[in-house]
Amino acid sequence: EAGVTQSPTHLIKTRGQQATLRCSPISGHTSVYWYQQALGLGLQFLLWYDEGEERNRGNFPPRFSGRQFPNYSSELNVNALELEDSALYLCASSFRGGSYNEQFFGPGTRLTVL
Amino acid sequence: GQQLNQSPQSMFIQEGEDVSMNCTSSSIFNTWLWYKQDPGEGPVLLIALYKAGELTSNGRLTAQFGITRKDSFLNISASIPSDVGIYFCAGQAPKLIQGAQKLVFGQGTRLTINP
Repeated sequence: EAGVTQSPTHLIKTRGQQATLRCSPISGHTSVYWYQQALGLGLQFLLWYDEGEERNRGNFPPRFSGRQFPNYSSELNVNALELEDSALYLCASSFRGGSYNEQFFGPGTRLTVL
Repeated sequence: GQQLNQSPQSMFIQEGEDVSMNCTSSSIFNTWLWYKQDPGEGPVLLIALYKAGELTSNGRLTAQFGITRKDSFLNISASIPSDVGIYFCAGQAPKLIQGAQKLVFGQGTRLTINP
């Protein structure tokens, strides 16, 4: 069974540009989560999508947004990039149907803002 | 908001030694998860705990869900070089709490092993 996939692996942008990151969940999973991991730090929750709807977002400005498509894949968009947006962006998926919520992570997209 | 305190922040041990790390919270969690992250990769789920007092093993790894539901520990026995990495605990709040589906992560424990 294929795991969570993310693209691109690396992304280099300059300040003020926009970045789009993509995620495909494990087959059968309906929930997708986005996390930001700055260098040397823990994971900070960004967004949660389930069944095409945004269910919750973390303490990030509105220029961080995203969406979930009918096939449950997801996109994270970061507008007006700032230097401090440089980080590893991790996507995770889970099957929301049961009582438990094991999240499985993709390999991440390393975003560098110059 | 909910926060997890994970300790120690880093560990330097000799190969073959046992390792112990823990996470504590001021609020209760329904689920505790332990992940390992290798450099440049996403976290990999090691152990999931769903019941207070539960003790679960995965090979040389053992984790427990604290009886108060506010803490968890992870032990690694007889460490080997491939155990090197960053270990994260993560907790999920009871479903009645807004945003409970998201995980709250500890800051990680960086494990270094001297051969």
